[in-house]
Amino acid sequence: DQQVKQNSPSLSVQEGRISILNCDYTNSMFDYFLWYKKYPAEGPTFLISISSIKDKNEDGRFTVFLNKSAKHLSLHIVPSQPGDSAVYFCAASVEGAQKLVFGQGTRLTINP
Amino acid sequence: DAGITQSPRHKVTETGTPVTLRCHQTENHRYMYWYRQDPGHGLRLIHYSYGVKDTDKGEVSDGYSVSRSKTEDFLLTLESATSSQTSVYFCAIRGLDYGYTFGSGTRLTVV
Repeated sequence: DQQVKQNSPSLSVQEGRISILNCDYTNSMFDYFLWYKKYPAEGPTFLISISSIKDKNEDGRFTVFLNKSAKHLSLHIVPSQPGDSAVYFCAASVEGAQKLVFGQGTRLTINP
Repeated sequence: DAGITQSPRHKVTETGTPVTLRCHQTENHRYMYWYRQDPGHGLRLIHYSYGVKDTDKGEVSDGYSVSRSKTEDFLLTLESATSSQTSVYFCAIRGLDYGYTFGSGTRLTVV
């Protein structure tokens, strides 16, 4: 029972273009969503988050969009840079809950 | 870097042997977590702790036990390692802002 799903295992984007990573969830009780970035041989690091009371949150080149009716969120990276090549995980939780539920991850490769 | 360290970083062990992984934090955070990362599954929660001696199961807890006798240390034990427990294990702490900080991981191979 995968409550958070990232259906694209990999994505390849040209440097300078937009990268769009997608995530779907099934639990309508989730009200806080996060994106983590992971480089090889390192732990995941927090990237950006969004509360369910918002539909967009922006931080520099990174923007997260939330569509509650579709139970879908996406991460936009503009412009994409070589250092963005990593595995990206989306995660969700119920406010006050003690646990994050993660998706399977999407490997993003930025090509020069 | 946030004060969270995992040891060992790499371990190879034989099937049927007990294994203990250690997570140490210097942040004095209440919540600590053990996740495993496997291809196609992302990060899955094994066990977590919400205080000294207070622990609970995650979604993949079978075959694992944990202990937390001090705020700073959270131990994960595989009582009798199996090949299906070959994985990368991550410890995490949760800060007041709801953000998780992860350790660098332990790569465990069970042969």
